[in-house]
Amino acid sequence: GAGVSQTPSNKVTEKGKYVELRCDPISGHTALYWYRQSLGQGPEFLIYFQGTGAADDSGLPNDRFFAVRPEGSVSTLKIQRTERGDSAVYLCASSLHGGVYNSPLHFGNGTRLTVT
Amino acid sequence: AQSVTQPDIHITVSEGASLELRCNYSYGATPYLFWYVQSPGQGLQLLLKYFSGDTLVQGIKGFEAEFKRSQSSFNLRKPSVHWSDAAEYFCAVGAREGNKLVFGAGTILRVKS
Repeated sequence: GAGVSQTPSNKVTEKGKYVELRCDPISGHTALYWYRQSLGQGPEFLIYFQGTGAADDSGLPNDRFFAVRPEGSVSTLKIQRTERGDSAVYLCASSLHGGVYNSPLHFGNGTRLTVT
Repeated sequence: AQSVTQPDIHITVSEGASLELRCNYSYGATPYLFWYVQSPGQGLQLLLKYFSGDTLVQGIKGFEAEFKRSQSSFNLRKPSVHWSDAAEYFCAVGAREGNKLVFGAGTILRVKS
């Protein structure tokens, strides 16, 4: 079946602009995660949704970052006033149930964001 | 707070040789431990996981890992490496009550023929 889909695969934007990154999880998966992977680093947790609600947003670096999942399926990560330090690969993952124990994470291929 | 250290940034092995990738974690209780692989242009794929019980766990593609509580380690092994194993490997730890994984910085595996 279809995996986690992320669009666009690449995004280049100018410093100060607003960007939206989209994630389509696997159908039926209630849990959705966003991670950020900077060059030479492992993925870093940003936010976790259970259904429509953000159950844990402790990884969002500041208030320029915001994510929504209004119907409990597709999620959008929004970054305002982008900075060069925001350049990274943004990964989305979904799982059937929440919790690291209950079901494995399925990752998308990521969106590579470059801020010039 | 949890943390993961992968001491080796790059490792090169010959095809057919054995492999061991190191992972050390920091966590106050018994953690959930994972190994993921990331091939170029591919998403992260779960190789194996440890939750409890037998400390030697088997995964996909012929990989295994051993949990050693006394050493806070969860090293990944494969007896005979194939050229298609060339990729980046990430160790991750999760809290039993939590919903997020903490990843190490990764180890890039190169396979020479």
